[in-house]
Amino acid sequence: GQNIDQPTEMTATEGAIVQINCTYQTSGFNGLFWYQQHAGEAPTFLSYNVLDGLEEKGRFSSFLSRSKGYSYLLLKELQMKDSASYLCAVSGYNTDKLIFGTGTRLQVFP
Amino acid sequence: DVKVTQSSRYLVKRTGEKVFLECVQDMDHENMFWYRQDPGLGLRLIYFSYDVKMKEKGDIPEGYSVSREKKERFSLILESASTNQTSMYLCASKAGLSSGNTIYFGEGSWLTVV
Repeated sequence: GQNIDQPTEMTATEGAIVQINCTYQTSGFNGLFWYQQHAGEAPTFLSYNVLDGLEEKGRFSSFLSRSKGYSYLLLKELQMKDSASYLCAVSGYNTDKLIFGTGTRLQVFP
Repeated sequence: DVKVTQSSRYLVKRTGEKVFLECVQDMDHENMFWYRQDPGLGLRLIYFSYDVKMKEKGDIPEGYSVSREKKERFSLILESASTNQTSMYLCASKAGLSSGNTIYFGEGSWLTVV
């Protein structure tokens, strides 16, 4: 079967660092995505990892360990506008389908 | 910029009505998807299409059908809407495996069935 787990909710303070974890079990693996979704809006692409290691993009970084079925999204220097849901999604091998986790709702407080 | 456009942002339909949700993408992507998103359940794949006239069931296809007559357009059809189909529906598109993996979403269609 296929399963993607991430925490339901997290809170953090403006200016802080937060790490959102994602674990997955899928039949085959062809990459892991992170998306950001503000309330009432469509998800927007943040990052894509297919090889082990850390991908850094400005204040956001994403890490992948394929052997552990584990990824995290790291958000630095948090801003109020980072309050959103963060979706972890996995692409299976030789397929164009993406399977999504239920998302982590992050609230950033002043 | 990739643009995925969903024709209706907010709809209210009666139980038993036939409902069409239209989606158009302008990037010549092979793959198009329909998801629904519900609180606590995340995005669940209803159907996807990897080419014109080709379709494949996702995780929750019951009560839905799709149509892909042209490459740029992917329609989701609720033959007889029911209240448990009240949800937010998201269309998405993606280039083929050899062309990159990023999936692009439309703005979403909020459907209420009364």
